[in-house]
Amino acid sequence: QSALTQPPSVSGSPGQSITISCTGTSSDIGEYNSVSWYQQHPGKAPKLMIFDVTNRPSGVSDRFSGSKSDNTASLTISGLQAEDEAEYYCSSYTSRKTGVFGTGTKVTVL
Amino acid sequence: QVQLVQSGDEVKNPGASVKVSCKASGYTLRIHPILWVRQAPGQGLEWMGWISTFNGITDYAQKFQGRVTMTTDTSTSTTHMELGNLQSDDTAVYYCATARTPYYYDSRDAFDIWGQGTMVTVSS
Repeated sequence: QSALTQPPSVSGSPGQSITISCTGTSSDIGEYNSVSWYQQHPGKAPKLMIFDVTNRPSGVSDRFSGSKSDNTASLTISGLQAEDEAEYYCSSYTSRKTGVFGTGTKVTVL
Repeated sequence: QVQLVQSGDEVKNPGASVKVSCKASGYTLRIHPILWVRQAPGQGLEWMGWISTFNGITDYAQKFQGRVTMTTDTSTSTTHMELGNLQSDDTAVYYCATARTPYYYDSRDAFDIWGQGTMVTVSS
């Protein structure tokens, strides 16, 4: 199972909105709504930010939102803040009943 | 406080096996799926497999089939991941994760509780 494709880096100024894409295939993102997004700061465990494409866990800021179209999922961060600077990974359930992560995107707050 | 506590860092020789444990603290694992993920130094997250603490069902990524075994002990709320025939490219931080409130009871769940990670170094 090949990793989902994400842009290596995305940047924005404080207060701006940014969107991270995650491209898969018809055997993962295109077939299932089990897409999650994780935030990871250096040296820390991943933190779940979005699950089932659009849902936010309790405690996650509503500045984070998710969507999906065909084989591509997206994470949008609105009102960018310094604390949002981190690595972000998407993941999806697959037709093999396994999961797969994206290649990761480094978000930089300018 | 609900958390997953993993076993300590390990150093192994090539060809050896490593067994990493993941114990729930603050609640009991009875129906929860446990996901195992690894991250090589400076690299991204890699999905390894998952196990049901309810019935022991497992699904492993094709890359690890035949080399990984995941087991669970509900009496101690502990899950184990054993990886055999270690090579240098198995050097990584290994994480376990679970869903606080399972919905699907499988790997589709929202994995919102993560262990602290266990560093496994493979070196001769």
